[in-house]
Amino acid sequence: GAVVSQHPSRVICKSGTSVKIECRSLDFQATTMFWYRQFPKQSLMLMATSNEGSKATYEQGVEKDKFLINHASLTLSTLTVTSAHPEDSSFYICSARDLRGGGETQYFGPGTRLLVL
Amino acid sequence: GDSVTQMEGPVTLSEEAFLTINCTYTATGYPSLFWYVQYPGEGLQLLLKATKADDKGSNKGFEATYRKETTSFHLEKGSVQVSDSAVYFCALSSGGSNYKLTFGKGTLLTVNP
Repeated sequence: GAVVSQHPSRVICKSGTSVKIECRSLDFQATTMFWYRQFPKQSLMLMATSNEGSKATYEQGVEKDKFLINHASLTLSTLTVTSAHPEDSSFYICSARDLRGGGETQYFGPGTRLLVL
Repeated sequence: GDSVTQMEGPVTLSEEAFLTINCTYTATGYPSLFWYVQYPGEGLQLLLKATKADDKGSNKGFEATYRKETTSFHLEKGSVQVSDSAVYFCALSSGGSNYKLTFGKGTLLTVNP
C-alpha cells in the first residue's frame, strides 16, 4: 500500500511560537493532500485541502492565516501553526490522495501530537 | 450534504466473538465507501474499501459489502482478536475535484482475552 509520513510525531512548544508539520507521500505522487485535526475520542475534522502548486482550500471556520499550508511538490505538504496557543493543542493528521486505481483513496500519515504550553 | 452514521460505541467483545459495526450513509450520486482503523496514538489505516454497489471489500478477516438499496456498509469479522482493539471509522467519498472524505464518528472496539 501507499505510505505517508509525518514529521515530527510529537512537538511541545511555548505559546506564541510557530510550529511546522511536514507530510510526505513516500512511494507515490500526491497532487492533493488533506489536513485534519482530531480531538480526543472524536472523529477527524477536515481543516483544509492542499493542491500542489496552488493555494489551499480551507473549510469553514478554519483560519487560513493561523494555519498556513504549503504544497510545493508532489510529495510534500506542510502545515504551519502560527503563533500557537494552548487551544491549538491537538492531534494533526494529514492524508494524501493516491491517483492510482481511480484516485478515490486517501492514505493517512501517523499524526503529529502538538502540545502548546 | 453527505453524511455517515455509524454504530455508537464503545463495543466490548471477548476474543473469537463475531463483530458487526453498522454504518449507513447519505450521499449524492454513487460514492466510494471505506473503513479505516485507528490504533491508539496513531493515524488512520485503510482497512478496506468498495467503489460500487454489491462490491465486497475485505482485508485481515474483515469484510463489508456495499449495499445501495439499504445505503449501508456494515463491517464484519467472524472471530476478533485482542489485536483488533482500535477505533473504526466508516467514510465515504462522493468524488468531485478533490475526493473529500466524510467520516462517521468512529466506534471504539475493545477485545478482551
